[in-house]
Amino acid sequence: NAGVTQTPKFQVLKTGQSMTLQCAQDMNHNSMYWYRQDPGMGLRLIYYSASEGTTDKGEVPNGYNVSRLNKREFSLRLESAAPSQTSVYFCASRFGQLHLATNEKLFFGSGTQLSVL
Amino acid sequence: ELKVEQNPLFLSMQEGKNYTIYCNYSTTSDRLYWYRQDPGKSLESLFVLLSNGAVKQEGRLMASLDTKARLSTLHITAAVHDLSATYFCAGPSHNNNDMRFGAGTRLTVKP
Repeated sequence: NAGVTQTPKFQVLKTGQSMTLQCAQDMNHNSMYWYRQDPGMGLRLIYYSASEGTTDKGEVPNGYNVSRLNKREFSLRLESAAPSQTSVYFCASRFGQLHLATNEKLFFGSGTQLSVL
Repeated sequence: ELKVEQNPLFLSMQEGKNYTIYCNYSTTSDRLYWYRQDPGKSLESLFVLLSNGAVKQEGRLMASLDTKARLSTLHITAAVHDLSATYFCAGPSHNNNDMRFGAGTRLTVKP
């Protein structure tokens, strides 16, 4: 059982380049998330999707776009990468839609380490 | 919006010692989550605390929740090297659609 799969694991970009981070889950989850992790700041939510065809902004959406391609896949796109986007990116998912149910938790992918030079 | 503060952010302790990590949160919440992240790895769920006074234990880790004080603690008993990791607490966002995380506590257990 693969769980949440992210690709690539590592990426180096030059300022201004674009790229898409891919995320797929095989747990039939409805909600999917993109977080970024920076030292001393924990995880901050970029975007999330409560169901196929819907997306919502999180805490730090500027400079990013997302696509919920189908129930399984949720991609994160950087159109013009900036050094401030150097970070570790995590995709996560959960079964519920909208409100977190009692005892519900997030399942995380293994992360993508992105460096923008 | 919920703000989550952890302290300490860095903790170096010797094997066999006890210590507590603190997690304060800014707004009323009926639940609190703890996650563990090993170096270079993803986050894994440790505990979900669902009510005031809730206590959960697994091995050398025990978590508790005081909703009135807006405080959760993660207590480490007789630390061992395998507990070295970063520990995050998190709470539900204001619309309860996602989780908001603290900055994490990087724990290093030395022989």
